[in-house]
Amino acid sequence: EDKVVQSPLSLVVHEGDTVTLNCSYEVTNFRSLLWYKQEKKAPTFLFMLTSSGIEKKSGRLSSILDKKELFSILNITATQTGDSAVYLCAVVSNSGYALNFGKGTSLLVTP
Amino acid sequence: NAGVTQTPKFQVLKTGQSMTLQCAQDMNHEYMSWYRQDPGMGLRLIHYSVGAGITDQGEVPNGYNVSRSTTEDFPLRLLSAAPSQTSVYFCASSYSRSGNTIYFGEGSWLTVV
Repeated sequence: EDKVVQSPLSLVVHEGDTVTLNCSYEVTNFRSLLWYKQEKKAPTFLFMLTSSGIEKKSGRLSSILDKKELFSILNITATQTGDSAVYLCAVVSNSGYALNFGKGTSLLVTP
Repeated sequence: NAGVTQTPKFQVLKTGQSMTLQCAQDMNHEYMSWYRQDPGMGLRLIHYSVGAGITDQGEVPNGYNVSRSTTEDFPLRLLSAAPSQTSVYFCASSYSRSGNTIYFGEGSWLTVV
């Protein structure tokens, strides 16, 4: 059975801190791993990772995949209150179609 | 271009009632799916479809029915609502399996009392 495990489940930091969110997975025929941000509505797409060791960056957010150790991290530097959200990790396999989501990490950034 | 449209946005049902959550997309996507999200959980797949006339079960299909008579529409039916089906429901569509091409609807908040 495919598994996606995120840690920590929740996190409280101060503005300006750097955070690292973790996602480990066990998936048959891995295709891609995705990160989403969710703020009380539908998830919004952040990154898709398919190749090991290649960092994806968008502003203060970055993510990297390790296909040997079966995990990914999402880094957020210089956090802002607007980064407060639930961050979801999901995996797609070649043998399936839909996304297999982890439970998410709830991030709260305090002023 | 409306994207993925879900209706209704909010609904309160009594136990035992039936209802249909509507989902429509105007992007000619082959792949459509329904997820539910409960507090502290990620999204869990209920049913999905890889094209008109083809549907399959996801992780949590019990108590739900789907059909895909057209490419555009993928309604989710609750046959006899139970309090355990209180949740937020998201419809999604995609033209490929890649994941970054998935478009989500805005969600339907359902409460069963």
